[in-house]
Amino acid sequence: QSVLTQPPSASGTPGQRVTISCSGSSSNIGSNTVSWYQQLPGTALKLLIYSYNQRPSGVPDRFSGSKSGTSASLAISGLQSEDEADYFCAAWDDSLNGWVFGGGTKLTVL
Amino acid sequence: QVQLVESGGGVVQPGRSLRLSCAASGFSFSNYGMHWVRQAPGKGLEWVAVIWYDGSYKHYADSVKGRFTISRDNSKNTLYLQMNSLRAEDTAIYYCARDVVPTRGDYFDYWGRGTLVTVSS
Repeated sequence: QSVLTQPPSASGTPGQRVTISCSGSSSNIGSNTVSWYQQLPGTALKLLIYSYNQRPSGVPDRFSGSKSGTSASLAISGLQSEDEADYFCAAWDDSLNGWVFGGGTKLTVL
Repeated sequence: QVQLVESGGGVVQPGRSLRLSCAASGFSFSNYGMHWVRQAPGKGLEWVAVIWYDGSYKHYADSVKGRFTISRDNSKNTLYLQMNSLRAEDTAIYYCARDVVPTRGDYFDYWGRGTLVTVSS
């Protein structure tokens, strides 16, 4: 059971906008920044979003992040087939004194 | 470019030990904190341990505290995870990940592809 809660799956058609949620608590998302990671099949995890809504260089602006209270969201606009992957959220947890992750969301592009 | 390559995984019996390595290249290894994160089959990610850039501070998840030891050799650009008293629930892919700062930052900016550890009799 992951500390951060994500939907196990999400889907969309090419060109659509998809949102993936990440629900936490006051000790993690509520008081620390959230990062998002993409795991393509057979490849290393890739940093997509940090500090809620910042993108590393090379990450398309189709990817965006937001936070509200103790929840965060990853939005992917203009969905492409290469976006089909697993997505994870993460944050530091002050109570657990460690990093916590979501269980991951498998995105399918129909 | 930044590369992190894990090795040392395999099949091990419960109660035995295993040492994982993570070879770093493409950046100044001694300037960054490093982490181990694991992923059990079909499950989410679980943070395991962190070590500061100079090895002066180490911190562990409660699930591995007292059994696992994280270390680094900056002269060899290599991160290690010594795993003792292994249990079935330690079965997972183990990833090394780079912190964004020398100590504890807000995210992991590079990851390796992982090495699989299977604990089974």
